[in-house]
Amino acid sequence: KAGVTQTPRYLIKTRGQQVTLSCSPISGHRSVSWYQQTPGQGLQFLFEYFSETQRNKGNFPGRFSGRQFSNSRSEMNVSTLELGDSALYLCASSFTGTATNEKLFFGSGTQLSVL
Amino acid sequence: AQSVTQLGSHVSVSEGALVLLRCNYSSSVPPYLFWYVQYPNQGLQLLLKYTTGATLVKGINGFEAEFKKSETSFHLTKPSAHMSDAAEYFCAVSQGNAGNMLTFGGGTRLMVKP
Repeated sequence: KAGVTQTPRYLIKTRGQQVTLSCSPISGHRSVSWYQQTPGQGLQFLFEYFSETQRNKGNFPGRFSGRQFSNSRSEMNVSTLELGDSALYLCASSFTGTATNEKLFFGSGTQLSVL
Repeated sequence: AQSVTQLGSHVSVSEGALVLLRCNYSSSVPPYLFWYVQYPNQGLQLLLKYTTGATLVKGINGFEAEFKKSETSFHLTKPSAHMSDAAEYFCAVSQGNAGNMLTFGGGTRLMVKP
């Protein structure tokens, strides 16, 4: 069974550009969550989607957005990139999106560098 | 608001020695607590979690953690460190109705000396 797949693995952008990251969850999983990992701020929750609806949202500016498709694949978009957006973006999936009752599976992440 | 504090950003132990990684939480409601491990260039992997019931939780790879409400702690231990345990470890907390929204601690990098 394939794990959580994130593409691309590495990305280099310049300030002001926008970027789209993709996440394919494990087959059958309907919940997809996104996290940002930086050396300074650590791991921070961005948002969670379940059945194409955003269910939870972290404390990030509106430049960060996401969506989920009917096949549960998810994308996140960052517009008007800033240097501080350089980070490892992790995607995680589970069946119903309740971390307390089921296991959350993480992808290997997309490493975004903003120059 | 809930938060997690991991004492010690770096911990070094000798192979075969006890591993103790500290985690304290702050939560206004009964917390659900997790430990995750991250190996280089990989995502996070769940080691163990506490939701309800027994306060001593056993996880994968010989790790265990004990939930102590009076001390608001959830420290991770392993009796004997192995070289393969070298990784970064994250403690996290969640409220039961928060879906997959986890609040993570700053992480502890475990180094194992031969």
